[in-house]
Amino acid sequence: GQQVMQIPQYQHVQEGEDFTTYCNSSTTLSNIQWYKQRPGGHPVFLIQLVKSGEVKKQKRLTFQFGEAKKNSSLHITATQTTDVGTYFCAEIIQGAQKLVFGQGTRLTINP
Amino acid sequence: EADIYQTPRYLVIGTGKKITLECSQTMGHDKMYWYQQDPGMELHLIHYSYGVNSTEKGDLSSESTVSRIRTEHFPLTLESARPSHTSQYLCASSLPGAGETQYFGPGTRLLVL
Repeated sequence: GQQVMQIPQYQHVQEGEDFTTYCNSSTTLSNIQWYKQRPGGHPVFLIQLVKSGEVKKQKRLTFQFGEAKKNSSLHITATQTTDVGTYFCAEIIQGAQKLVFGQGTRLTINP
Repeated sequence: EADIYQTPRYLVIGTGKKITLECSQTMGHDKMYWYQQDPGMELHLIHYSYGVNSTEKGDLSSESTVSRIRTEHFPLTLESARPSHTSQYLCASSLPGAGETQYFGPGTRLLVL
């Protein structure tokens, strides 16, 4: 079935460095969502991308949807310790009206 | 902040016991979901519901069962808990037509001894 592959699985950076996580699919995605889960917390919706080539920004976070709608990325500029957590992408399975989550990228930061 | 609640937040129980994890939302969302997640790992969908009297099995086989008698309530039951059921269970809900954006509850951390 459809599944988004998310890389890397883990990323450790120094505070102030940039961070990027990628989601890739072998099939065209209708849209993609991004969630953040803090350690010990629950996933929280960040954003949804729908259009080919779409770019959205939330402060230091930049979200992109590929031109072919087969990949997406989340880039954090100048990481801060509050960015620590696991970032998940999720694709909507239209027929079943449910989300399928990627494996997640766990970000840790050295202050 | 979404209004979705889960109880208990933590549960330690012996093997063979029957348990019910509660999930309630006050947003009037038709769709609700249960996920199983080991710490820091993938989210596995185990059950979902489109609305009252609707229940579907998710992508991960689970020995748990669910019911949806009321829109706001989606409890998950394990008839006989085993150590392999030790995990975090997350409940979520979504509003149709809102791009399936899901709102998660705080989770129940289950430890079966």
